[in-house]
Amino acid sequence: EVQVVESGGDLVKPGGSLRLSCAASGFTFRNAWMNWVRQAPGKGLEWVGRIKSKADGGTADFAAPVKGRFIISRDDSKNTLYVQMNSLKTEDTAVYYCTTGDHGAFNIWGQGTMVTVSS
Amino acid sequence: DIQMTQSPSTLSASVGDRVTITCRASQSLSSWLAWYQQKPGKAPKLLIYKASSLESGVPSRFSGSGSGTEFTLTISSLQPDDFATYYCQQYDTYFMFTFGQGTKLEIK
Repeated sequence: EVQVVESGGDLVKPGGSLRLSCAASGFTFRNAWMNWVRQAPGKGLEWVGRIKSKADGGTADFAAPVKGRFIISRDDSKNTLYVQMNSLKTEDTAVYYCTTGDHGAFNIWGQGTMVTVSS
Repeated sequence: DIQMTQSPSTLSASVGDRVTITCRASQSLSSWLAWYQQKPGKAPKLLIYKASSLESGVPSRFSGSGSGTEFTLTISSLQPDDFATYYCQQYDTYFMFTFGQGTKLEIK
């Protein structure tokens, strides 16, 4: 079964850090360009960032609101995607989804993990 | 950055109605446009990719069209399961993504 499962969401204080994980199975993870998408409570979807496959350079790009604060990495030996979130702000409060797909669209989504940034 | 504007933000319709949601881009996208359906508490579900290609397993009452800067999602005959929020999403030449703000489809 093709799936991704996110974990690591928690309550963290402003200025703190948190690392989320995404475990993938059922597809060739090392070839996949992986993304993080978030959704603040009651709000729409927001693309956070993406890491290319190592074969395509392995580089990551980010949306402006998180650039310089978030780092995306991958461990292809463990079929796992990560996002290290630093200098967290209250506006980073959201459900974080791991997602991937073809043709510039995302057809594989996890159930999401909740990150709450609050004092 | 490319901005995506969906309209309407909210749409009230009845079972059996034909509905159309529009997504406009701030610059030309060619055909790199996708549509998603999301229900409360659930992850989004891909409906349409490359503007008009139907994702496997998605009912044929869903269709997409458009190119350049204007795209539409049409549901030909609304079913009870279709009441949800719909998002468009673009994919640009720098492999970055942007979502529209969403259209909530409500029962009239």
